[in-house]
Amino acid sequence: DAGVTQSPTHLIKTRGQQVTLRCSPKSGHDTVSWYQQALGQGPQFIFQYYEEEERQRGNFPDRFSGHQFPNYSSELNVNALLLGDSALYLCASSFNDWLSEKLFFGSGTQLSVL
Amino acid sequence: KQEVTQIPAALSVPEGENLVLNCSFTDSAIYNLQWFRQDPGKGLTSLLLIQSSQREQTSGRLNASLDKSSGRSTLYIAASQPGDSATYLCAVKETSGSRLTFGEGTQLTVNP
Repeated sequence: DAGVTQSPTHLIKTRGQQVTLRCSPKSGHDTVSWYQQALGQGPQFIFQYYEEEERQRGNFPDRFSGHQFPNYSSELNVNALLLGDSALYLCASSFNDWLSEKLFFGSGTQLSVL
Repeated sequence: KQEVTQIPAALSVPEGENLVLNCSFTDSAIYNLQWFRQDPGKGLTSLLLIQSSQREQTSGRLNASLDKSSGRSTLYIAASQPGDSATYLCAVKETSGSRLTFGEGTQLTVNP
């Protein structure tokens, strides 16, 4: 049983570019959350998708957008990249997270913005 | 706004020692609290989850306690091993929402 998978594992971009990160949830899970983790910090909640809609959003600008597909996989898009967007981006999945138990995290995508 | 604090930020101990990691949160209206382990540059692995109505959870050498009224949780690691070296994060889930609010973690090093 595959867990949460994220791609790519590493990415290097320059300021002003756009990036798309991908996540496939654990089998049986229908809810995907995205977190940003800067070096030495705890993860910060970006947003959560359920039934192909954004259900909750953290304190991130509109440059951060997402999508969930009918097969529950998800994408995180970041436009007009800034140096401060350099971080580990983590995807977490669960089943109908409103009342669920543990979150399962992927290994993350390390984004470097030069 | 919920804030989660973890003390100490870093800890170095000799192998075999018992240790306690601390987590505090400002808003006691939580649904549950989770402890995670993170190896360098990797994702998070859930270690223990405590519901707001519970006082503690145990898994092997790990024991986590929760005092919701005082806004505190502890993670106790017995007989530490070098393989326990990692960053330990606690996170709370708010009653009314679905996000996790994380602390900044405690970086643990267990020396052989």
